[in-house]
Amino acid sequence: ETGVTQTPRHLVMGMTNKKSLKCEQHLGHNAMYWYKQSAKKPLELMFVYSLEERVENNSVPSRFSPECPNSSHLFLHLHTLQPEDSALYLCASSQRGQGAGELFFGEGSRLTVL
Amino acid sequence: GEDVEQSLFLSVREGDSSVINCTYTDSSSTYLYWYKQEPGAGLQLLTYIFSNMDMKQDQRLTVLLNKKDKHLSLRIADTQTGDSAIYFCAVIRVGYQKVTFGIGTKLQVIP
Repeated sequence: ETGVTQTPRHLVMGMTNKKSLKCEQHLGHNAMYWYKQSAKKPLELMFVYSLEERVENNSVPSRFSPECPNSSHLFLHLHTLQPEDSALYLCASSQRGQGAGELFFGEGSRLTVL
Repeated sequence: GEDVEQSLFLSVREGDSSVINCTYTDSSSTYLYWYKQEPGAGLQLLTYIFSNMDMKQDQRLTVLLNKKDKHLSLRIADTQTGDSAIYFCAVIRVGYQKVTFGIGTKLQVIP
């Protein structure tokens, strides 16, 4: 596998369910990100893990919980979500401190909350 | 905070040139990127320009940067139906955590 892979690609869950999104990067990067993409809105940065430091957007509700066990894996744990949380969740990675620091994205996990 | 603006939609005929525009507010932006998103996929980096450059050309793609007006554009020559996608402008200031994205311009190529 190369690049950034996300699973599952599609997820439908009820508001009382608990599920997790998984991301794995095979690029040797030192930073990983979760973005939320909703229709007609700019990409929203949710969480960043960089060199073992977590940086989060304070507006992200606590029903979203990230986990980064190592530099190659990133999870987003979901619980008691709301219908407005339905969106495409994109994982990305980058190499901080070198070059242009461009982001490499996965294909995304399309989440539908019923 | 940083703001990046793009128009929502652009329609061109196959074979014509497309020009997608972007404006940003942070004059300290260091790298400026163009990403492409095809339906059902993630964002793919197309090209980027460093802030001390005015122009960068890569095959059919030309990026122009006007730092005075804080204006970035992406020109696609000989636009093909496979170029139909959403194009995102993004900027970053080195040393800061956050890449700021525009809302994306949907390019429709008419055969």
